[in-house]
Formats: sequence, structure tokens, C-alpha cells
Amino acid sequence: DGGITQSPKYLFRKEGQNVTLSCEQNLNHDAMYWYRQDPGQGLRLIYYSQIVNDFQKGDIAEGYSVSREKKESFPLTVTSAQKNPTAFYLCASSSGEGTGGTGELFFGEGSRLTVL
Amino acid sequence: KQEVTQIPAALSVPEGENLVLNCSFTDSAIYNLQWFRQDPGKGLTSLLLIQSSQREQTSGRLNASLDKSSGRSTLYIAASQPGDSATYLCAAPTQGGSEKLVFGKGTKLTVNP
Repeated sequence: DGGITQSPKYLFRKEGQNVTLSCEQNLNHDAMYWYRQDPGQGLRLIYYSQIVNDFQKGDIAEGYSVSREKKESFPLTVTSAQKNPTAFYLCASSSGEGTGGTGELFFGEGSRLTVL
Repeated sequence: KQEVTQIPAALSVPEGENLVLNCSFTDSAIYNLQWFRQDPGKGLTSLLLIQSSQREQTSGRLNASLDKSSGRSTLYIAASQPGDSATYLCAAPTQGGSEKLVFGKGTKLTVNP
């Protein structure tokens, strides 16, 4: 089955620790995204990547880092510099209109991070 | 800067009712608009994608329309069922042909048996 797999589903972290969230897709999509969702605030874009070895900051990139070494993988690291990391993190991918796709966005099941 | 608004924030209806969810956006130079469904604690599921050249898209009991000139999209749900209870979100590109989306805060729908 094609889709997007995020792991872990739940993660607890102590203050001052870095943590990496995994996102893997087998949809052969070029573009991948990380969003953060907080109650009452909607989804906000953290980072996105339109091609391997390239990525751009979104609206709330401070305190986060990413890499895109493989087409199917786009891990997100939440660093100790992120002041309020407790949130629901969503990874997404799309085929992209620039590569002949529809631009439709597909999401993983999310990772819930709690800082203790 | 694109802004997406969804009204109402919450809606409760009896089973079997037809209903309309509203989405408005400020930058009408978009090439598509997408509707999603989110169940509690889950990721988003894509429901419908409307390209700028289309005015409507249908999938089963769902019908989404797009009116770029007025900056509005609607999601029509026919013969609602309790299983339709979820939060519905719409999303539009940040600008024109961008693949970055701006999301509304969603409408939480409850369908009562």
C-alpha cells in the first residue's frame, strides 16, 4: 500500500533534549512537508522540500532542522532551541504540478510530541 | 499574503440532513484548493482537490465548488451520517502557483443519530 509513514506515534522528551521524527513515503513524490498543529491555531508550515538535497524554511522554522538525503525520507529534528515543542507534527507529500502531478497533498498519521 | 477562513467553527446537525461548509480565501490567484477531513488524533485525509479550471468536484456524497472571483469554496455533504463527524479543513496555495498551502482552522462537524 502506498502512503506516508510517521514514527513514532507518541514521543516524550525532557527539556533540553533533541528529538528526531521520522517520515517515509513510498508514493514517489518529489515534494515533502512538515506541519505543526496546535489546538485553535490550525496547521503551520515548518519546513518543506521540493527535491532531494534541497529544502526551505516555512513560517515557523526556528528551533527545527531537516534533511532530505533520499527522495522517500524527510526527517524532522526538534532541537532544544524550540521554546514550545509540545505539539502534533504532521508530515505530508505531493507530486507537484511542476513535475506533472496534480499538486494534491497527502498526510501521514502524525506524531505527538510531549515535553516533560 | 493568503488567508483562509472557515465559518462556522463548529456545526451540529441531525442525521440525514444535507449541509454546507464554507471556506473563504483572500488571494484568488490560486491554481487549486483542497478539502481535508481530520478525525481526532489522526492525520488529514484528502477529500477533494479542485483545480482552478474546474468549478466543482464530486466524490460520493461530497461535492466541492470553487468560485475564484468571490474567493469562496463550499463543501456540500448530502444525507449526513454519524460517521461524517470530524473536522473539515480547506487549504489554498500561499500564492498563485505555490505548492505551499495555507490552511483554515477547520469546521468541527457533529452528526447526531
